[in-house]
Amino acid sequence: SQQGEEDPQALSIQEGENATMNCSYKTSINNLQWYRQNSGRGLVHLILIRSNEREKHSGRLRVTLDTSKKSSSLLITASRAADTASYFCATDEEPALIFGKGTTLSVSS
Amino acid sequence: SQTIHQWPATLVQPVGSPLSLECTVEGTSNPNLYWYRQAAGRGLQLLFYSVGIGQISSEVPQNLSASRPQDRQFILSSKKLLLSDSGFYLCAAQYISNSGANVLTFGAGSRLTVL
Repeated sequence: SQQGEEDPQALSIQEGENATMNCSYKTSINNLQWYRQNSGRGLVHLILIRSNEREKHSGRLRVTLDTSKKSSSLLITASRAADTASYFCATDEEPALIFGKGTTLSVSS
Repeated sequence: SQTIHQWPATLVQPVGSPLSLECTVEGTSNPNLYWYRQAAGRGLQLLFYSVGIGQISSEVPQNLSASRPQDRQFILSSKKLLLSDSGFYLCAAQYISNSGANVLTFGAGSRLTVL
């Protein structure tokens, strides 16, 4: 089953610009997580936001959560070429995480 | 911290041949383990998960199977591969974050091409 859906599917920006990705989900959640995947590699956990939190920061990452709209957004500020990757949201459906289809971010220098 | 090892990294197999992908975990004991498949340009599909030795749950009916012969070993198998089995297979292990949430660590993946 696919719980999260990211939007847009692909995003191309210049270095220094901000990148915003959105995730919508269908059922109630305990938390929502964002992962990053470099091309041809495994996923890496970036940040987690709990259902009772509205915003969370980690370095250049900012995540928001709106449980009334069942949506989350991931903002990467001052993007770098090294941020080029696919980004996935995931919801916790015990005992597994269910992932969306991802947003592919391309940052050009 | 835990580390996930997967092999082989790349595999090209003919239709009808068998398959064995291995995953081992370091740095933790009795983890929940998962196999996900990622088709080209698509999201991750949960295939199997295991909460302990010999305990396997299947999420998607298919010609694949999984086994967990040891606490930190998880194997994905097939007796006869189909073209549709092509994809990127990811093994993951669960750990509990500082905030008490379930988070996954992934291996580097095994890319399977069935011809």
